[in-house]
Amino acid sequence: QQQVKQSPQSLIVQKGGISIINCAYENTAFDYFPWYQQFPGKGPALLIAIRPDVSEKKEGRFTISFNKSAKQFSLHIMDSQPGDSATYFCAARAASNYQLIWGAGTKLIIKP
Amino acid sequence: DGGITQSPKYLFRKEGQNVTLSCEQNLNHDAMYWYRQDPGQGLRLIYYSQIVNDFQKGDIAEGYSVSREKKESFPLTVTSAQKNPTAFYLCATRTPGRPTDEQFFGPGTRLTVL
Repeated sequence: QQQVKQSPQSLIVQKGGISIINCAYENTAFDYFPWYQQFPGKGPALLIAIRPDVSEKKEGRFTISFNKSAKQFSLHIMDSQPGDSATYFCAARAASNYQLIWGAGTKLIIKP
Repeated sequence: DGGITQSPKYLFRKEGQNVTLSCEQNLNHDAMYWYRQDPGQGLRLIYYSQIVNDFQKGDIAEGYSVSREKKESFPLTVTSAQKNPTAFYLCATRTPGRPTDEQFFGPGTRLTVL
């Protein structure tokens, strides 16, 4: 039973463009929403995260937008670069046991 | 990576065999996790351990077993009861209380059943 739905499954963006990945969750008992970046053959690494009392968080070219009422959050990558080509996962942490529930992932390709 | 070692990187198994995947960490983190990753799916939790000598089943524990005898080590055994074990296996650690509550991942082991 998937509680975090991520879209799109794959995304191609031109260099310098904006990449947008969306996630929606069903359970209101989540208290932390991280995004992870994974390169082929490697483990995921934390990219940026947000808590539900904040509507936006920005770190460099990466921004999370969070809409608590709609139960949605998104990752925006500004000025996308070929080095950003990777698979991105959103996740939501259950407040009760701190387990992460993962989205299915988005394969992002940045074309030079 | 960085403080979490998984071995081997690639593992081939014949049907009916048990295999053990190694996960070692030198980050002094209390919590350790095993995830399974399949193409087109998110990470699914197999087992987790919050403290030495204690572990709990995750969402897909059937056909797997673990032990946590040392803080640094959390090996995963894939038994012959696991019907479709071919996948990428990831070990992770976490220290509760960090502001970011980040999980750190190892480089993974790719298991293929022949």
